[in-house]
Amino acid sequence: EDQVTQSPEALRLQEGESSSLNCSYTVSGLRGLFWYRQDPGKGPEFLFTLYSAGEEKEKERLKATLTKKESFLHITAPKPEDSATYLCAVQAPAGNKLTFGGGTRVLVKP
Amino acid sequence: GAVVSQHPSRVICKSGTSVKIECRSLDFQATTMFWYRQFPKQSLMLMATSNEGSKATYEQGVEKDKFLINHASLTLSTLTVTSAHPEDSSFYICSAGRDRRNQPQHFGDGTRLSIL
Repeated sequence: EDQVTQSPEALRLQEGESSSLNCSYTVSGLRGLFWYRQDPGKGPEFLFTLYSAGEEKEKERLKATLTKKESFLHITAPKPEDSATYLCAVQAPAGNKLTFGGGTRVLVKP
Repeated sequence: GAVVSQHPSRVICKSGTSVKIECRSLDFQATTMFWYRQFPKQSLMLMATSNEGSKATYEQGVEKDKFLINHASLTLSTLTVTSAHPEDSSFYICSAGRDRRNQPQHFGDGTRLSIL
């Protein structure tokens, strides 16, 4: 059974204070690892797809990296608008179902 | 990015009412649509997967007679919560995807269902 664990559950940052979020996964053959951002009362917004160990993707202040067992989402010099819940999900080879982690709630204070 | 429209965004109704939620893929043909349920401060739990023109596949523990799913076209899927009760109150979110490697699912903005 696919498993995804995210840590920490919550993260409080000062504006400009860089940090990293962790997503550890167990899957029988990774088809893709996805990062989403979710604002309160909204659906998840797609950020990145990673497939191969060593792969990196960047978007503004966010950078996602992937190893064979985990992925990191690095937030560089965050701003208050980066406050959200960040969700990690893995896609197994069979079909295109996603298994989500519990998410990391990030609060960036000005 | 791709746009998925979900309607309504909020429903408040009496116990025993059936509620239909629509999910539309606006700018691509979705071979598969997914329905999730999310409890406060928790992650998304997959309820069912629906493919256009075929019966939905439900996850373990999800009552198919309670949560009716119809995927009549490549751009529309509906979830009907039949005879809803207070314990069915939740945030329901749909997503649409294409059956291609590394293609992300794109999510609607969810429906907040409150059963009185």
